[in-house]
Amino acid sequence: EIVMTQSPATLSVSPGERATLSCWASQSVGSKLAWYQQRPGQAPRLLMYGSSTRATGIPARFSGSGSGTEFTLTISSLQSEDFAVYYCQQYNNWPRTFGQGTKVEIK
Amino acid sequence: EVQLLESGGGLVQPGGSLRLSCAASGFTFSNYAMGWVRQAPGKGPECVSSTSSDGRTTYYADSVRGRFSFSRDNSKNTLYLQMNSLRAEDTALYYCVRAAPYYLDNWGQGTLVTVSS
Repeated sequence: EIVMTQSPATLSVSPGERATLSCWASQSVGSKLAWYQQRPGQAPRLLMYGSSTRATGIPARFSGSGSGTEFTLTISSLQSEDFAVYYCQQYNNWPRTFGQGTKVEIK
Repeated sequence: EVQLLESGGGLVQPGGSLRLSCAASGFTFSNYAMGWVRQAPGKGPECVSSTSSDGRTTYYADSVRGRFSFSRDNSKNTLYLQMNSLRAEDTALYYCVRAAPYYLDNWGQGTLVTVSS
């Protein structure tokens, strides 16, 4: 099973600032990496797939990069609706595995 | 608009059974792989099971293999998750998800399964 590790666990950011979230895979997953956003009381929502392709309706302030074992999600200028928990997920192998999440909170 | 509506959750004693259903609409159901993802309170999501568009290929997480059974009825646009020999650690919110074809592009709102005596 591929283990996904996210850092940091919590990120405190002021509105309008940049947030950078990291995700590592225990073995290469190529570019088969997705990011999801989960707001309180809601289901996760797909943000990014293929490491760097934004899902339908996702604003351009979200960007993703990386391949192999190291990945990054960047939110260029945080808006109020972006404060949430973010999960990375590999879909190169079964079982599809998620990281433990990064909570982005208001500083 | 894609809609995934789960049902069938509830409180069950350890060792008991439940059958979850997911009614899908707003897309050509038979063209998509589908799955179930669960999320225990305060934890990250976990992929429980996934099935191909035709239902011929199904994967299970090690934690549920032999206890859970995933099926789909393409004539009814419905998924089923039969859960047997339930354990306390199966307590979670269970989401029905659409795979496109591997990342999860649509999620239901979930149905809560609580295993407790």
